[in-house]
Amino acid sequence: SQTIHQWPATLVQPVGSPLSLECTVEGTSNPNLYWYRQAAGRGLQLLFYSVGIGQISSEVPQNLSASRPQDRQFILSSKKLLLSDSGFYLCAWRFGTSGGYTFGSGTRLTVV
Amino acid sequence: EDQVTQSPEALRLQEGESSSLNCSYTVSGLRGLFWYRQDPGKGPEFLFTLYSAGEEKEKERLKATLTKKESFLHITAPKPEDSATYLCAVQANSGGSNYKLTFGKGTLLTVNP
Repeated sequence: SQTIHQWPATLVQPVGSPLSLECTVEGTSNPNLYWYRQAAGRGLQLLFYSVGIGQISSEVPQNLSASRPQDRQFILSSKKLLLSDSGFYLCAWRFGTSGGYTFGSGTRLTVV
Repeated sequence: EDQVTQSPEALRLQEGESSSLNCSYTVSGLRGLFWYRQDPGKGPEFLFTLYSAGEEKEKERLKATLTKKESFLHITAPKPEDSATYLCAVQANSGGSNYKLTFGKGTLLTVNP
């Protein structure tokens, strides 16, 4: 069966520090992968998506970047975190032919 | 630009009191409309996909319906365990192979015993 792993679950980082969040998918190959951010009072905002290894599309200009070094691995990074980067980060992959997503359990990032 | 508006923002029901959540959307050619449930501190959980006006899907106490402009999530005789945030999202035909989803802000449902 297909599963998606996302870690860490929570993270508290100082302003100006780097960030690396990792997401891996099991039980499928060449999945579409997505990074979303959910901030208080706002809906899920698409940050990046990838349709294949090394292929990254950015939706919102920001302090973050993404990479896909392997077929089932998706990484969200930042060189220097800002207070505004705080939020709940979710990784997702598209399952089947319906176009729907399965989401990971999320990472709660607090920048202090 | 695709847009999704959900109402109400919050809804409180008594156990057994049926109601509906609304999702209005604007999209350049609908490929699919999705409903998710999200519990606090967790990732959204997939509920339904609807593709065309008139379509209905059911799962336990939940029924989702779709028109050309909006979708409803009907909750029949809800129980406290149905308390969660319900998210609506749309996917446009113009998205090609990326299958991007545009989400609404959600409706926070609280069911009191």
